[in-house]
Formats: sequence, structure tokens, C-alpha cells
Amino acid sequence: KQEVTQIPAALSVPEGENLVLNCSFTDSAIYNLQWFRQDPGKGLTSLLLIQSSQREQTSGRLNASLDKSSGRSTLYIAASQPGDSATYLCAAAHNNAGNMLTFGGGTRLMVKP
Amino acid sequence: EPEVTQTPSHQVTQMGQEVILRCVPISNHLYFYWYRQILGQKVEFLVSFYNNEISEKSEIFDDQFSVERPDGSNFTLKIRSTKLEDSAMYFCARGDGGTGRNQPQHFGDGTRLSIL
Repeated sequence: KQEVTQIPAALSVPEGENLVLNCSFTDSAIYNLQWFRQDPGKGLTSLLLIQSSQREQTSGRLNASLDKSSGRSTLYIAASQPGDSATYLCAAAHNNAGNMLTFGGGTRLMVKP
Repeated sequence: EPEVTQTPSHQVTQMGQEVILRCVPISNHLYFYWYRQILGQKVEFLVSFYNNEISEKSEIFDDQFSVERPDGSNFTLKIRSTKLEDSAMYFCARGDGGTGRNQPQHFGDGTRLSIL
């Protein structure tokens, strides 16, 4: 059974810092890995999707990497801003017909002005 | 603005009652999902629905749960006889692209279900 873990559970940084969020998964037979942002009381906003054949994806100040063999993904946020404060979730898509996602517990990020 | 609209935003129901949660995608897609998040816990997969059939379901999705897309637009999750442990935020998601495979899943804002 796939298990997804995110470390740290919470992170507080001053504005402008570059930071890395970590995600690990136990079963490397994934179809893709997706990163989401969740604001309090809101749904999940898709940030980046890395297919199993890819090593990284970039969108603006965000860069996500994937190392399937070691079961790890990282989300790099450059020049953090207070508006980046949210919970960041990673989710691994199973390599089967249902395309179900298994989520990590999230990293709660606070960027202080 | 979310890619899918979920109604209601909050539902309070007595234990044992039936509830129907609704999801309306912005545009026509074939792949849909339901997930739930119990307060303080991880987001959990319930069911995926492709081309008007259940594609996969988790062990959580027992006989008390059902999904359908009766009018080709609204996508519903029904819980027949609610239990206290069904209290959670329920999220609907749609797959990107025509089939959804290996495409991002886009989530609605969720329905908070409170069972009394």
C-alpha cells in the first residue's frame, strides 16, 4: 500500500527566502506526482504535475523534482512571499486504471513579512 | 475560481439520514473523483468515475456510498445512512483533458459535512 510522507509538517520563514518542501513515497510504481496548495477552508489548487518519466517541472517561482528510484519529490519555492503562506500537499497517482491519488499530510508554510 | 462547483458548502445532518453532495464541472469532462478529508487528517481517495462508470473505489467506499451522474452534468455522491465518522470535508475533482489519465486533477472548494 502506498504511503506518502511530507517533512516538515510546518515551516516558518522570513519573506524572500528560498525554501524546499519534501515528499517521500514508498511505492515507486507511480503514474505521476502532483503538488497542490490548500488555503484554510478552501479546496486544493493544482500547482505542478510531474509525470513518472520526467525529472522536474517549473512554473514561475516553483520548481518540482521527482526521483522515482529513491521515492522522493521536492518542491522548491524561490523568493518566498507572504502570499505563499498555505498548506502544500503532494500526491502520488497510482499506476492503474483508477488514477487515484494518495496524499501526504502536507507542510504548513508561513512566510513572515 | 475553482474548476468545479460543489454544493452545498456546508451540510448538517442527523445521524442515520441520507445526504447527497453535488459537483458541477465547468466544462464537459469524463473523469471525476471524490475525496474526503477528516479534520486534521490526510486527504483520502473515495472513488473515481469514468465515462459514467466507477473506475476504482477505496475500502472507505462501502455499500453506504454511491455515485452517479444522472443528467450528464451534475456528479453526485450519496451517503445512504450517515454515521458520526462520516463528518469530513468532501472534495470533488475532475481530470484534465479528455480522459484524465496522467493529467492534473482539479478540485472544488469542498462540502463540509457535519453529522450530529
